[in-house]
Amino acid sequence: EADIYQTPRYLVIGTGKKITLECSQTMGHDKMYWYQQDPGMELHLIHYSYGVNSTEKGDLSSESTVSRIRTEHFPLTLESARPSHTSQYLCASIQGLVIETQYFGPGTRLLVL
Amino acid sequence: QKEVEQNSGPLSVPEGAIASLNCTYSDRVSQSFFWYRQYSGKSPELIMSIYSNGDKEDGRFTAQLNKASQYVSLLIRDSQPSDSATYLCAVIPRQGAQKLVFGQGTRLTINP
Repeated sequence: EADIYQTPRYLVIGTGKKITLECSQTMGHDKMYWYQQDPGMELHLIHYSYGVNSTEKGDLSSESTVSRIRTEHFPLTLESARPSHTSQYLCASIQGLVIETQYFGPGTRLLVL
Repeated sequence: QKEVEQNSGPLSVPEGAIASLNCTYSDRVSQSFFWYRQYSGKSPELIMSIYSNGDKEDGRFTAQLNKASQYVSLLIRDSQPSDSATYLCAVIPRQGAQKLVFGQGTRLTINP
C-alpha cells in the first residue's frame, strides 16, 4: 500500500470560495501529479511536478494552481470555485523514471454548488 | 482524435468466461502501454504493463500488443465477479515522457 494521502476526501462548497486540496506522500518521491476525472471519463493530467520548485501544466487546461515547496507536499488551489470544477481530483507520485508505477492517492470528490 | 481510445461499455461477461478489453492509440512512437483497474469510487491500480509486440501473461490476465495496428488488449480468463470494474488503458506518449495518457476506460461487469 502506497503512502500517499489526500484531504479532504469529500468537499461540498459554494461558488466563489477558495479551496485547497491537499496531497502528501511519505515515500520521498520526486515526481507528483494531479489528475481530474469526471464520472465514467478518462483521467486528465492537469498539473505535474518533477521536484521542489518545479511545476508544469498538464494536458487539460485548468483554472487551478499548484505549488511544490516541499518534496512531500503538492497542494492544488482553486481561487474561486465554480460548478464546472465539480469532479474527482486524484494525486499520484512516482520515484525515478518508472512512470507506470504511479501510486495514486484515494482522491478528493469535489462538489461546487 | 483522442490519443487513447477505448469502448466505454458497459461490457457484460458471464462468470468463468473470457473478458476481452480493447484499446487503440494514435501516436505511432508510443512505446509503453499499461492497463489499470479502477473499482467504483476508488483510485486506479496497475495490473499489467507491456512494451513489445506479442502477448504477456500474468495469472488470469494477458496483455496483447500490436504496434503495427496501434492496438493493445487485455484478456481476463475465468472471469470472476470481483473483476467487475472499469479498466483504463494508458500510454506513455513518447520515449522519455514522464506522464501517462489515459483512455476513458471500459466498464466491465461479470455476471454470476
